[in-house]
This record gives sequence, C-alpha cells and structure tokens, in this order.
Amino acid sequence: NAGVTQTPKFQVLKTGQSMTLQCAQDMNHEYMSWYRQDPGMGLRLIHYSVGAGITDQGEVPNGYNVSRSTTEDFPLRLLSAAPSQTSVYFCASSTPYAGELFFGEGSRLTVL
Amino acid sequence: DAKTTQPPSMDCAEGRAANLPCNHSTISGNEYVYWYRQIHSQGPQYIIHGLKNNETNEMASLIITEDRKSSTLILPHATLRDTAVYYCIVRGGNRDDKIIFGKGTRLHILP
Repeated sequence: NAGVTQTPKFQVLKTGQSMTLQCAQDMNHEYMSWYRQDPGMGLRLIHYSVGAGITDQGEVPNGYNVSRSTTEDFPLRLLSAAPSQTSVYFCASSTPYAGELFFGEGSRLTVL
Repeated sequence: DAKTTQPPSMDCAEGRAANLPCNHSTISGNEYVYWYRQIHSQGPQYIIHGLKNNETNEMASLIITEDRKSSTLILPHATLRDTAVYYCIVRGGNRDDKIIFGKGTRLHILP
C-alpha cells in the first residue's frame, strides 16, 4: 500500500504564480484534509473533505482552493502565491467519525 | 481553536519513562483522544488513541482520567529516537468534524 502520496515534494514559486499540490490515497478513506506547518509551529487546517463532492474550510483557508471529484484525490490549489504561503504542506486521510489520520510526507513550498 | 492544551516542551532522561500531559476539559462523550508524534519535518505518525479506558500498545500507554478531562501519554523507556513533537487531539462523533491540532509538546530526551 502506498498510503498517502503527495507531489511535488519541493516547489519554488514566484509571487503571483499559481500551482496545485496533489494528494492521493489508496485506502478508500472518505475523510481527507490539508494542513500547513510554518517553522517551529504546529499544524493548521486549511481545508478538509468528508467525501467526494464535499469540501469545507478549516482554520486558514484564504488563498487556497480545493475540490474532491473522487474519493482518492484531494488537490490543493494556490491561486496567486504569496510569500506568506511559504510553508510545509501535509495531506492526511482517515475513515470518517473517528480513526487515525494517515499523513503524507509533506510538500515544501517556497514563494519568492 | 484547538480543543487540547499541552506544555510547549519537556525533558526526559534516556531510559526513564516520559509522561506527557494533555488537557481536554471540553471533550464530548463520544470524542476520542488521539496522540501523534512528528519527528523532524516528517508527517505526523499515529501513536495511540482511547475513549475512556486506559490503552497500551507496543509504542506507548495512554491514561485517561475518570472525568476524561485530561490524559497522559507514557513512553515507558524513552530513547533518543523518541525526541519529537507530540500532539494530543480529540476527534469523534460527527462526520464533518474539523480535526484541529494544537502546538504540541516538544520532547527532548537527554542522554
């Protein structure tokens, strides 16, 4: 089992560029989420989804879009990158209601 | 906001038990307590979870108070490899619950 796969692992963007961070899981999990982690800080929830076609905002959703067209995939889109979005991004998935979260290895994004 | 509070950092001597506390005074009756740890910048890793009974697995033990308002994660024989940030979260009950992490506890294992 691959678990949760994130791509790319590293990315450098210029201010104003757009990009998509990909997240895929092969565990048939309904729940998927995106977190960002700034240096020395904890994880902050950006967006999450409880199933295909359903998404909702987390703690810090501004500047990010998500969609969930399939159970397996939950891409995170940066519409117009800003230096404040420089961070490490983690995707996670789990079964609904309760269940452990499975995390990807992270995507390190730098915005110049 | 996170539903849990943890001390920002703790030290533990290698070979001793590490006891990491977590306060979750507003926990609901159907919410579980979960513990994760994050080593360096890797993705957080699940350790253990419980509802109201104490739990033990190969990694750790979880002690939940009778009123469920706090819990303690116990690493019985800490090693240098246990140096990490440990997160305590609560989750459960509603399908569309947000899973919010706090800042966790940075555990330093001293040789």
